[in-house]
Amino acid sequence: GAVVSQHPSWVICKSGTSVKIECRSLDFQATTMFWYRQFPKQSLMLMATSNEGSKATYEQGVEKDKFLINHASLTLSTLTVTSAHPEDSSFYICSARPGGTGYNQPQHFGDGTRLSIL
Amino acid sequence: DAKTTQPPSMDCAEGRAANLPCNHSTISGNEYVYWYRQIHSQGPQYIIHGLKNNETNEMASLIITEDRKSSTLILPHATLRDTAVYYCIVAGGGSQGNLIFGKGTKLSVKP
Repeated sequence: GAVVSQHPSWVICKSGTSVKIECRSLDFQATTMFWYRQFPKQSLMLMATSNEGSKATYEQGVEKDKFLINHASLTLSTLTVTSAHPEDSSFYICSARPGGTGYNQPQHFGDGTRLSIL
Repeated sequence: DAKTTQPPSMDCAEGRAANLPCNHSTISGNEYVYWYRQIHSQGPQYIIHGLKNNETNEMASLIITEDRKSSTLILPHATLRDTAVYYCIVAGGGSQGNLIFGKGTKLSVKP
């Protein structure tokens, strides 16, 4: 159980285009989903937290107009990198926490999306 | 900043127990200790978590000291597939349980 699917696994696109990444919880409902970014040989950095039906909360230094997050249902969150540039190339990973009480429910992660901007 | 301290790397012989330590001396009373691991180019995998009691599941055991200032993740019989970066994270208590990843411990299981 607790499977999170992320799509696409990797994408290569030209500078200036927008890229959408989907994150789905397959066998549970997730009121909260998280988006992380990981550069080579570094740890994961939390970008934003999204709650179903409300605006995402972005971490300091993350541009909300560049990284658009939509959490329209209890099983789907999307991250759109708008007008992507080479410096946005990274490994983007989502996670989802099952709904219910308490902060002790563990987050479950997708397998990540490797984004390369040429 | 991460609120945990872990050794940057450890080696373990295949078939032996791997004991991964973690210090979290500033942990709050309502914060949990979570362990995840990340195999190269994949998303982190949840292993186990606990509050104050020791926990065991099919993957590992988690031993938390009585003062909760440190913990140890035990992989009872390490295999080559357990080679990964292991992250110890404390979370909970009012910040939506956000996970803040430190640098973790790179565990290398050797034949």
